[in-house]
Amino acid sequence: DTEVTQTPKHLVMGMTNKKSLKCEQHMGHRAMYWYKQKAKKPPELMFVYSYEKLSINESVPSRFSPECPNSSLLNLHLHALQPEDSALYLCASSQSIGSTDTQYFGPGTRLTVL
Amino acid sequence: QQQVKQSPQSLIVQKGGISIINCAYENTAFDYFPWYQQFPGKGPALLIAIRPDVSEKKEGRFTISFNKSAKQFSLHIMDSQPGDSATYFCAATDGNNAGNMLTFGGGTRLMVKP
Repeated sequence: DTEVTQTPKHLVMGMTNKKSLKCEQHMGHRAMYWYKQKAKKPPELMFVYSYEKLSINESVPSRFSPECPNSSLLNLHLHALQPEDSALYLCASSQSIGSTDTQYFGPGTRLTVL
Repeated sequence: QQQVKQSPQSLIVQKGGISIINCAYENTAFDYFPWYQQFPGKGPALLIAIRPDVSEKKEGRFTISFNKSAKQFSLHIMDSQPGDSATYFCAATDGNNAGNMLTFGGGTRLMVKP
């Protein structure tokens, strides 16, 4: 099973709301990632978790807060977002953080900030 | 700074034709070059990948050609089918970096006409 699941599929939120995106994988992968993808653009890396510890934060604003409760779950907590944060948020996982470890992507959460 | 340049941005091919997408990179530390395919509303999925010690890799109708001295690589889709219509991203990873960070090209939107 090479599936990464993400919930919700769509999310609309106001600038004062607090919401969370969820990601789950059951492939035994020890690395998990959050990406942001704008329309007609490639995914942009936001965070990398390796063995449930944050290893990379690509200078993401603090209104995005990642959390890795266990090796199968990855959350992205959202607070006080801006309309320009509207995008497709993708979760991915890989066996580890080796350069040849394939990243498997979920279908994404389409986020709209009003 | 875009470290992986991809062309063309869009491509229209007749069914049965050959689709060719080109990528060029600057960072000589890159040591793994995957191609991802993304359908609308879905996350990217690994299509095929190559290491720089190999000049060509073929999987079914998909072939990667790699020119290390020119720092260029390309994807050839033989006998293109309407079902191949998607956005294709070349990417590269650097074994020296800490987090299996994918550097994506800008993407190519392929349309295969019946």
